Amino acid sequence: GDSVTQMEGPVTLSEEAFLTINCTYTATGYPSLFWYVQYPGEGLQLLLKATKADDKGSNKGFEATYRKETTSFHLEKGSVQVSDSAVYFCALSSEASGSRLTFGEGTQLTVNP
Amino acid sequence: GAGVSQTPSNKVTEKGKYVELRCDPISGHTALYWYRQSLGQGPEFLIYFQGTGAADDSGLPNDRFFAVRPEGSVSTLKIQRTERGDSAVYLCASSPLGQSTDTQYFGPGTRLTVL
Repeated sequence: GDSVTQMEGPVTLSEEAFLTINCTYTATGYPSLFWYVQYPGEGLQLLLKATKADDKGSNKGFEATYRKETTSFHLEKGSVQVSDSAVYFCALSSEASGSRLTFGEGTQLTVNP
Repeated sequence: GAGVSQTPSNKVTEKGKYVELRCDPISGHTALYWYRQSLGQGPEFLIYFQGTGAADDSGLPNDRFFAVRPEGSVSTLKIQRTERGDSAVYLCASSPLGQSTDTQYFGPGTRLTVL
């Protein structure tokens, strides 16, 4: 079945540092890939997505590229801010699995001033 | 416009009791999903509705769990004979058409605590 593996956390960075959160997946067919973010005290919200191979999703300075050859969708940001502190979830959805989202376990990011 | 809403935001119940959790999706969204999130974990799929019908209920853990969406809008997740292991945050999401490329929009969740 479908699965998503995220790098183990938590991750602690200083403001303006470079961020990478690794995500790899296993899926039947050609899934769509998502990064969701959960800020403290708030619900899950979409950060970015990519629906086909080599697509790059971007939002709020974050980027991730759909790499079919390495089955990866790593999240990157060049300069993190304190306000980026949150839990980040990688997820996939495929028609073969009825469009449900399959999530990774989440990565807690803390950015210190 | 209004997002996905869920009520109650918190529910505390005793072991063995019956609970109902409500989800009001974004107007016009045909697809509705329920997920369960335990502490420190990613959300896990429970059930998916396309319109009024349950298109996929393979994530429901056992027959104590049941969900309905009688008019294709509001959905209710029902849990009978609650157990302490049912304690979690129950999330509802909706999407426009239920396609795998769609963004799913999540509600704030209902935190269920079974004592």
